[in-house]
Amino acid sequence: SAVISQKPSRDICQRGTSLTIQCQVDSQVTMMFWYRQQPGQSLTLIATANQGSEATYESGFVIDKFPISRPNLTFSTLTVSNLSPEDSSIYLCSTLPPGQGFNYGYTFGSGTRLTVV
Amino acid sequence: QKEVEQNSGPLSVPEGAIASLNCTYSDRGSQSFFWYRQYSGKSPELIMFIYSNGDKEDGRFTAQLNKASQYVSLLIRDSQPSDSATYLCAVNPGFQKLVFGTGTRLLVSP
Repeated sequence: SAVISQKPSRDICQRGTSLTIQCQVDSQVTMMFWYRQQPGQSLTLIATANQGSEATYESGFVIDKFPISRPNLTFSTLTVSNLSPEDSSIYLCSTLPPGQGFNYGYTFGSGTRLTVV
Repeated sequence: QKEVEQNSGPLSVPEGAIASLNCTYSDRGSQSFFWYRQYSGKSPELIMFIYSNGDKEDGRFTAQLNKASQYVSLLIRDSQPSDSATYLCAVNPGFQKLVFGTGTRLLVSP
């Protein structure tokens, strides 16, 4: 299955600033997904990123707040902009294992724990 | 109504017992179903997936699906303290996306 390297693993940021999270996959994958996990909550899908096209955002998430890049089939970034304490969460990227159907489930990166002060 | 519902727990079982984790979902068109395990401070890891009614077994784990009742469960036999984690139920309602439940925290006591 795909191995995802995600960084940074954690960061503490000042409100009003931005944080960019990077995910590198060890193989080429079509779709990458970005999730948010707020404290004590489950995972909520932010957006789906396909190479060469605009990301598709879920209801409640907008591009101005969560711009995403997908320059190639192994890499994606998520930026969380204009940070506020409410953005303190764990952010996770994920993808489907290459060569396997969706029914085999997602693989996740190790997560980025963001604290906004 | 939440799309995927789980009891948050904690579910406490003694070592060696069977742990039973349950999940219900609202979208009748859901196609496939997943169980993830998440240790504290770690990312989720896939345990099992199931898409046909009935049981699916993998080692100590058995997933059960009943689409008519919109119900998915995970049984863990011979529970070990290392099984202590949060178990997330996830459902594919279509469009290659997953919807996660809030998770059930399992505590296995030695």
